[in-house]
Amino acid sequence: DVKVTQSSRYLVKRTGEKVFLECVQDMDHENMFWYRQDPGLGLRLIYFSYDVKMKEKGDIPEGYSVSREKKERFSLILESASTNQTSMYLCASSPNWAQETQYFGPGTRLLVL
Amino acid sequence: EDKVVQSPLSLVVHEGDTVTLNCSYEVTNFRSLLWYKQEKKAPTFLFMLTSSGIEKKSGRLSSILDKKELFSILNITATQTGDSAVYLCAVEARSSAGKSTFGDGTTLTVKP
Repeated sequence: DVKVTQSSRYLVKRTGEKVFLECVQDMDHENMFWYRQDPGLGLRLIYFSYDVKMKEKGDIPEGYSVSREKKERFSLILESASTNQTSMYLCASSPNWAQETQYFGPGTRLLVL
Repeated sequence: EDKVVQSPLSLVVHEGDTVTLNCSYEVTNFRSLLWYKQEKKAPTFLFMLTSSGIEKKSGRLSSILDKKELFSILNITATQTGDSAVYLCAVEARSSAGKSTFGDGTTLTVKP
């Protein structure tokens, strides 16, 4: 079974803090994704990566950065958290070598005060 | 820009009813359309559709794709309260390196 894990289920931070959200997958997938999900807005892609050290902006990258130093780990960084970044953050991974669904982690619910 | 529109946004039915959820899309160089079910946590995969007119079925759920009219439907027969969830539709383009564009989802509530 594919397993995608995220470092925290719930996180509370203050405005201006630096926030790290970690995602790890154990299936040797090339592709990894970070989404945020807000009521009525579906899943919006923040950043994705199709290989180690490779990253591409998604639809809403402003205020975020990412790091992929190892194939299994994809980190989302909020350099200076703001209240409008309060959201559910979902990580996903998928393989390059087959037409496959994305596999999602359990999500991190972030509250920025 | 790729686009996915789901309808209705929300739906309330009673147990035993049959529901049809809709997904229309615009995508350059279509590769696949996916349906997910999301309860309180992460989305879980239901179906992947790549060819027109071929119904995919899993228990009481089924889905079909129309590549000419650019839409898909998800049917749930004999609904149960456990079917209550957000249903997400996503499309993937061939050139997208696995990237999907999601719709806003349909929130289904099944009442006893």
